[in-house]
Amino acid sequence: AQKITQTQPGMFVQEKEAVTLDCTYDTSDPSYGLFWYKQPSSGEMIFLIYQGSYDQQNATEGRYSLNFQKARKSANLVISASQLGDSAMYFCAMSYYNTDKLIFGTGTRLQVFP
Amino acid sequence: NAGVTQTPKFQVLKTGQSMTLQCAQDMNHNSMYWYRQDPGMGLRLIYYSASEGTTDKGEVPNGYNVSRLNKREFSLRLESAAPSQTSVYFCASSVGIASGAQETQYFGPGTRLLVL
Repeated sequence: AQKITQTQPGMFVQEKEAVTLDCTYDTSDPSYGLFWYKQPSSGEMIFLIYQGSYDQQNATEGRYSLNFQKARKSANLVISASQLGDSAMYFCAMSYYNTDKLIFGTGTRLQVFP
Repeated sequence: NAGVTQTPKFQVLKTGQSMTLQCAQDMNHNSMYWYRQDPGMGLRLIYYSASEGTTDKGEVPNGYNVSRLNKREFSLRLESAAPSQTSVYFCASSVGIASGAQETQYFGPGTRLLVL
């Protein structure tokens, strides 16, 4: 069965520092996608970054990068130069069975302090 | 483009009442989804629709029904609300090709439902 695990319920980081949010996954499917979403206190779900299981390079989107280690089944999100507006819940998700369906982890709450 | 819209934003129901949550997308997406979000549990899939005219159960379908009215609209109905259905409900859509980054789902703003 597919599973996503986020072991950090909360993280703190100082403004302008980099932070890594952990995500591990379990699947026997060779084809899958990994996603990160941000949920600010206002509640909406914002798509951040995508990594395909066959992608050779780590995905990057501005200050976000995905550290994809396939053998370890990890897909950590790295946020560089943290900003106060990065304070939010962050969810890791995985698509499976070559479908569009996603399963989500339980999330990590990131707090950025000045 | 409005993206994915949901109505209502907030709703309070009494146990046993029924209601329908509405969702519409203007991105010409094929697939649409309904999730619920409970504290500490992430998002869980209730129902999804891979294309107009098709619907399938997700992880937690009990107590819910859905209708894919057309390509744009996907509604979620609670026939007899229970306190356990107190949650935040999100609608999402995706291209539906199940290929790479096109699997990305885009979410509506959510509906907060309280069942007393």
